Amino acid sequence: DTEVTQTPKHLVMGMTNKKSLKCEQHMGHRAMYWYKQKAKKPPELMFVYSYEKLSINESVPSRFSPECPNSSLLNLHLHALQPEDSALYLCASSYSSEGSGGQETQYFGPGTRLLVL
Amino acid sequence: AQKVTQAQTEISVVEKEDVTLDCVYETRDTTYYLFWYKQPPSGELVFLIRRNSFDEQNEISGRYSWNFQKSTSSFNFTITASQVVDSAVYFCALKGGNNRLAFGKGNQVVVIP
Repeated sequence: DTEVTQTPKHLVMGMTNKKSLKCEQHMGHRAMYWYKQKAKKPPELMFVYSYEKLSINESVPSRFSPECPNSSLLNLHLHALQPEDSALYLCASSYSSEGSGGQETQYFGPGTRLLVL
Repeated sequence: AQKVTQAQTEISVVEKEDVTLDCVYETRDTTYYLFWYKQPPSGELVFLIRRNSFDEQNEISGRYSWNFQKSTSSFNFTITASQVVDSAVYFCALKGGNNRLAFGKGNQVVVIP
């Protein structure tokens, strides 16, 4: 089973709202990722968690706040977003963020389509 | 630095035709991994294949085949006898020593019935 689930599928929020995106995997993976994808562009890495610790933050604005409560769950807390933050937010997981072989293959969830008004 | 180039942005084919997607990569790492992902309109990136830099064997999976040529830094993908369900964006990606997945810009494949 290579399933990563994300909720909600769609989210509309105002610039003053606070919302959260949720991602879950039960594959025993120890690395989890958040990506942002604008239309007709490839995904852009935002954050990487390895063994529940933040290992990579790609200089993401503080209005995006990731959280990894346990090895199966990854959240992205959103606050005071801008309209340009509207995008598809993808979560991914892999057995490891480092290492070799198939451990690094990232499996993606279906994404959350976010619209900021 | 890792770089992946997918030169063709949109490719249209008539159903049952073959389509080949080119992927050229750049890396200074001696150990690296190459991937192809499919992104249908629903949005999810579906993993198709992974190849490591030491394994130049070509691979066939059903109507999909991949040609890895280290000498030309290419990892091309062919869909044989295309079907409407193959309509999607296909991304080639590279992971080297910096632990980041570098994506190409993607190929939009449109299969016309």
